[in-house]
Amino acid sequence: AQRVTQPEKLLSVFKGAPVELKCNYSYSGSPELFWYVQYSRQRLQLLLRHISRESIKGFTADLNKGETSFHLKKPFAQEEDSAMYYCALSGGSYIPTFGRGTSLIVHP
Amino acid sequence: DTEVTQTPKHLVMGMTNKKSLKCEQHMGHRAMYWYKQKAKKPPELMFVYSYEKLSINESVPSRFSPECPNSSLLNLHLHALQPEDSALYLCASSHPVRGDGANVLTFGAGSRLTVL
Repeated sequence: AQRVTQPEKLLSVFKGAPVELKCNYSYSGSPELFWYVQYSRQRLQLLLRHISRESIKGFTADLNKGETSFHLKKPFAQEEDSAMYYCALSGGSYIPTFGRGTSLIVHP
Repeated sequence: DTEVTQTPKHLVMGMTNKKSLKCEQHMGHRAMYWYKQKAKKPPELMFVYSYEKLSINESVPSRFSPECPNSSLLNLHLHALQPEDSALYLCASSHPVRGDGANVLTFGAGSRLTVL
């Protein structure tokens, strides 16, 4: 079985502060991990995937197999980062399992 | 074309009505999905079609009936819905493969359904 845990339902920070959205997963094999983002009134879209090891909109995420984590980080949050963030895991199948989501609010 | 298009954007229906939601993509994706999303909640998987065949039905009530007429189109037929079925219905597509991060889902904007 595979599971994704996003422990924080809501994360509230001020502009310019660092932000870390936590994601832990449970899967015995080699996982594929993704972060999706849903801005207000926009469609759900891919933010980044672990295999690319890239930075998108200043966000990065590193797969830590020892801690079974894939936390999303940004050193300086911006107001436009306010959105719902979903961590997703593809384990044995191509069909992803989504976490419950974390609502990020960045205050001016 | 890199989008998933869903119609209608909004739908209001009574509990005795029959209606359909439509989804279209021209990215050559051979997996297509229906999700249900309530406010501030993650998308809940309903159905998956792979190469036009239904491969996953997440125990969805029979008042929801999916159809995949061809590799570009996905429909969701609705009949005798309940008020609790009111939600945003999302269509998505992807390559039905695992590996190299290829199975990225592309989502449509959704059809917001209200059942009176």
